[in-house]
Amino acid sequence: SAVISQKPSRDICQRGTSLTIQCQVDSQVTMMFWYRQQPGQSLTLIATANQGSEATYESGFVIDKFPISRPNLTFSTLTVSNMSPEDSSIYLCSVVGHKRTSRYNEQFFGPGTRLTVL
Amino acid sequence: ELKVEQNPLFLSMQEGKNYTIYCNYSTTSDRLYWYRQDPGKSLESLFVLLSNGAVKQEGRLMASLDTKARLSTLHITAAVHDLSATYFCAVTRGGSQGNLIFGKGTKLSVKP
Repeated sequence: SAVISQKPSRDICQRGTSLTIQCQVDSQVTMMFWYRQQPGQSLTLIATANQGSEATYESGFVIDKFPISRPNLTFSTLTVSNMSPEDSSIYLCSVVGHKRTSRYNEQFFGPGTRLTVL
Repeated sequence: ELKVEQNPLFLSMQEGKNYTIYCNYSTTSDRLYWYRQDPGKSLESLFVLLSNGAVKQEGRLMASLDTKARLSTLHITAAVHDLSATYFCAVTRGGSQGNLIFGKGTKLSVKP
């Protein structure tokens, strides 16, 4: 299975500032995905990051608020811009891969970045 | 619109008991996932179910899929405290791998 790392693991930020979250995968993947998990809630897809093209955003999420970069096939960043307390969430990077013991693709998640906005 | 509903949302069990978590989804999907999340942690993939009648088992957990009924179940056998966690089911949207719609999760607490 893909090994996914994220930086930072957590941060506390002031309202109005921006934070860039990094996601690194140990193998090349075509698509990387960014999800948000608000406190006590389920996960919601923010956008799909494709290498060499603009990210595709889900309804309710816009590029100005969540700009994404995808410079190569193993790395992506998500920026949370002009933060407000409502942005306090866990942000998770995700990729599709397969376990060595399986012939099926499945979706794996990074450890997440826990963001608190004051 | 694809919706995923889990029930129950909260489950308190005694060790040694059996229970089932249900996951209903509203439109056709080509795969269904079960994930486990421990407090403050990321998601751990438990099962991926692809076809009607699929059944997978790992330890005390068994997952099944009925695509005609759009229903998956996660059965817990002889629960132990270590199974305490939040369990999510998720389905792919429109056959697009990576684009998952999640249920709200079932918070399981297993008490001695």
